[in-house]
Amino acid sequence: EPEVTQTPSHQVTQMGQEVILRCVPISNHLYFYWYRQILGQKVEFLVSFYNNEISEKSEIFDDQFSVERPDGSNFTLKIRSTKLEDSAMYFCASSAQYEAYEQYFGPGTRLTVT
Amino acid sequence: AQKITQTQPGMFVQEKEAVTLDCTYDTSDPSYGLFWYKQPSSGEMIFLIYQGSYDQQNATEGRYSLNFQKARKSANLVISASQLGDSAMYFCAMREGPPSAGNNRKLIWGLGTSLAVNP
Repeated sequence: EPEVTQTPSHQVTQMGQEVILRCVPISNHLYFYWYRQILGQKVEFLVSFYNNEISEKSEIFDDQFSVERPDGSNFTLKIRSTKLEDSAMYFCASSAQYEAYEQYFGPGTRLTVT
Repeated sequence: AQKITQTQPGMFVQEKEAVTLDCTYDTSDPSYGLFWYKQPSSGEMIFLIYQGSYDQQNATEGRYSLNFQKARKSANLVISASQLGDSAMYFCAMREGPPSAGNNRKLIWGLGTSLAVNP
């Protein structure tokens, strides 16, 4: 069964460093998303991406964040200068165009900023 | 105001019994979708079931069913014949508005309910 994959599973970085979180969505899906979940809190939407551009973003997704689909299979989230409060689980998700719009999630990347 | 409210932070159920996890939502949009996801302790997010606002019948997927009461704006998840492997966090989420090309697809999430199934 096709699945969304994410790498790395755990990333530890120092405050102020740049990190890139990688995702490979399901191959025939057209919509891609990043969400984050701070430990013990609700899942929060960051950004959605369609047709090679951002279609929607939340107020969390400020200038420190960017997304890219560099090669038609990978979908990346970059945080330019990490802050302590960026520590969270980051989920990538993808969905098809004509199904019941469910989003299929990857296993997540746990980002720890020290 | 909260868009998705899950009032039960934690629930216990005996193995093989049924359990209902509550979810109420708030939207003024006539078109929306409601989702339930399961998050085991390993952390991944697993899609369980979907209900569209215009669907005439309650959604069912195996042991999962959604008790959709539109007038009350509730979308409770019913798990029948609970199994030990059902122990996890359960999240209710909503998409507001009809999904058009690229838009209105973000999911808004509740705080979740932690379900423990006792042997």
